Amino acid sequence: GIQVEQSPPDLILQEGANSTLRCNFSDSVNNLQWFHQNPWGQLINLFYIPSGTKQNGRLSATTVATERYSLLYISSSQTTDSGVYFCAGESNSNSGYALNFGKGTSLLVTP
Amino acid sequence: DAGITQSPRYKITETGRQVTLMCHQTWSHSYMFWYRQDLGHGLRLIYYSAAADITDKGEVPDGYVVSRSKTENFPLTLESATRSQTSVYFCAILKGDNEQYFGPGTRLTVT
Repeated sequence: GIQVEQSPPDLILQEGANSTLRCNFSDSVNNLQWFHQNPWGQLINLFYIPSGTKQNGRLSATTVATERYSLLYISSSQTTDSGVYFCAGESNSNSGYALNFGKGTSLLVTP
Repeated sequence: DAGITQSPRYKITETGRQVTLMCHQTWSHSYMFWYRQDLGHGLRLIYYSAAADITDKGEVPDGYVVSRSKTENFPLTLESATRSQTSVYFCAILKGDNEQYFGPGTRLTVT
């Protein structure tokens, strides 16, 4: 399967700060998604973004499919943003829509 | 997502025992998936199913068996549990524009 690299692996922010998380893919991907895993372990869908830019409140995401990367922007961070952020994509091979995940960016937002 | 339930949510078992984890969806989406999450590995695909009675292996299928006699249920069985199968197991479904949604997870400990 494809390799998914996320950076940075860990991030500590003070409340109110902005940040950018990056996801690089070793090959072309379909159906790229961003997830937030909250401290209780639940995986929450943030964006389905195979290409282009989307915004949802303080979060936005951009995928440049031709260059095999995606970015997640968090603005005016809040303590509730803490958790692990994963990106995942489906390879172009016949894998039945299965997602390949990165190892995640662990974010801690302090008051 | 409230439409995906997993049971049990927590399970402790002994090495060599058979364990079945259940995944249930309240809809009738065709594709269902089982992933495991381990520290340092992110989420990895165990098995997936494209429809009732159609299943296929993912990245880490060894030691697991799946079945899908009904569209809404996708049980995962560990035939003879090993300590290396201690993990958090997530079930997922495919909805809409090929976007995956995850259940709450089952935390399994094999002693």
